Amino acid sequence: GEDVEQSLFLSVREGDSSVINCTYTDSSSTYLYWYKQEPGAGLQLLTYIFSNMDMKQDQRLTVLLNKKDKHLSLRIADTQTGDSAIYFCAETPGSSNTGKLIFGQGTTLQVKP
Amino acid sequence: DSGVTQTPKHLITATGQRVTLRCSPRSGDLSVYWYQQSLDQGLQFLIQYYNGEERAKGNILERFSAQQFPDLHSELNLSSLELGDSALYFCASSTTGEQYFGPGTRLTVT
Repeated sequence: GEDVEQSLFLSVREGDSSVINCTYTDSSSTYLYWYKQEPGAGLQLLTYIFSNMDMKQDQRLTVLLNKKDKHLSLRIADTQTGDSAIYFCAETPGSSNTGKLIFGQGTTLQVKP
Repeated sequence: DSGVTQTPKHLITATGQRVTLRCSPRSGDLSVYWYQQSLDQGLQFLIQYYNGEERAKGNILERFSAQQFPDLHSELNLSSLELGDSALYFCASSTTGEQYFGPGTRLTVT
């Protein structure tokens, strides 16, 4: 089946690292994505990882993929108040052959000054 | 700015009415996707078009339809609107895999 799960809320202090976790069910997923949504705004593509990779780093963002456990995480280093938003994990199911995205429920990140 | 544009930004209409949402993809992108974001259902894939042809259908109601035109812009038509259709409707476009989203159209059905 196609299902993506995320915890709903994370609160951190400014300057700390944030780790947002995601699990998915489709073992044939090809790409896995992280999107950011600020209040009243659209979805901003933050980063993505291909399923044959374990890790991807992009400035303050580190994505870790554990394909065996179907677990994806997004680490934000030196979290800032501007990082406060909802973060969505999404997968492209390998079985779909269309590129449609299956999204998790979103994790609200609250950054306290 | 993702390069994907959507109009209108907001739409308020009454139950039973019909509306059309418009999307222009990023320059060069052939695929257009439509998603619905609501509080109870989250983000759900509705439909995909590729170069004018329907490629995939998701949880799209029969009252909803879409098309992609030769200039690659797409329209999502929602008819016989119900209160439960109130949501944010996003369009996304892609070429190689990663999808870039427009700012969305917020539809309120009263």
